[in-house]
Amino acid sequence: EVQLLESGGGLVQPGGSLRLSCAASGFTFTNYAMSWVRQAPGKGLEWVSSVIVGGGSTYYADSVKGRFTISRDNSKNTLYLQMNSLRAEDTAVYYCARDRFYMDVWGKGTTVTVSS
Amino acid sequence: DIQMTQSPSSLSASVGDRVTITCRASQGITNSLAWYQQRPGKAPKLLVYGTSRLESGVPSRFSGSGSGTDYTLTISSLQPDDFVTYYCQQYYSALITFGGGTKVEIK
Repeated sequence: EVQLLESGGGLVQPGGSLRLSCAASGFTFTNYAMSWVRQAPGKGLEWVSSVIVGGGSTYYADSVKGRFTISRDNSKNTLYLQMNSLRAEDTAVYYCARDRFYMDVWGKGTTVTVSS
Repeated sequence: DIQMTQSPSSLSASVGDRVTITCRASQGITNSLAWYQQRPGKAPKLLVYGTSRLESGVPSRFSGSGSGTDYTLTISSLQPDDFVTYYCQQYYSALITFGGGTKVEIK
């Protein structure tokens, strides 16, 4: 079964850091780009970041550029999102998704809450 | 960045109705358009990609069309399971953007 499982969410103070992980299974991880998409409480979907197959090229939304870093470990079939200098407006459910330009497989999400 | 304007933001309809949701891109996106369905508390689900290609397992009452800057998702006959929220997404640009969402409610 094709599956994505996020972890690493939690409560963090403004200015703090958090690293999210997304474990992939059931498909050849190295064949696909991967992305993070978030959804603030009661709001719509917001694309956060993408990484291509080899990890050599990465893309970021303006709202997170310079603060978040996407990476992947193809030997572990795992996608990461390092989030630094967190702000209240980063509070959201973070989904990882298999990226075929459109997102055809999604994880269940992990919740990040930025609050003092 | 390409802006995606989705309309309406909400609509009320009855079981059996035909409904249409529209997304307008701020520039041409040459059919690089996907539609998702999201149930409350759940991850989005891909319905349509490439403007009109139905994802495997998606009921045929869903269809997509459009070109240039204007795209539509049509549900030919609303079923009880369809009263949820829908999003469009452009992937013409590497900087992906989503529409604001359309919540379909029961009249």
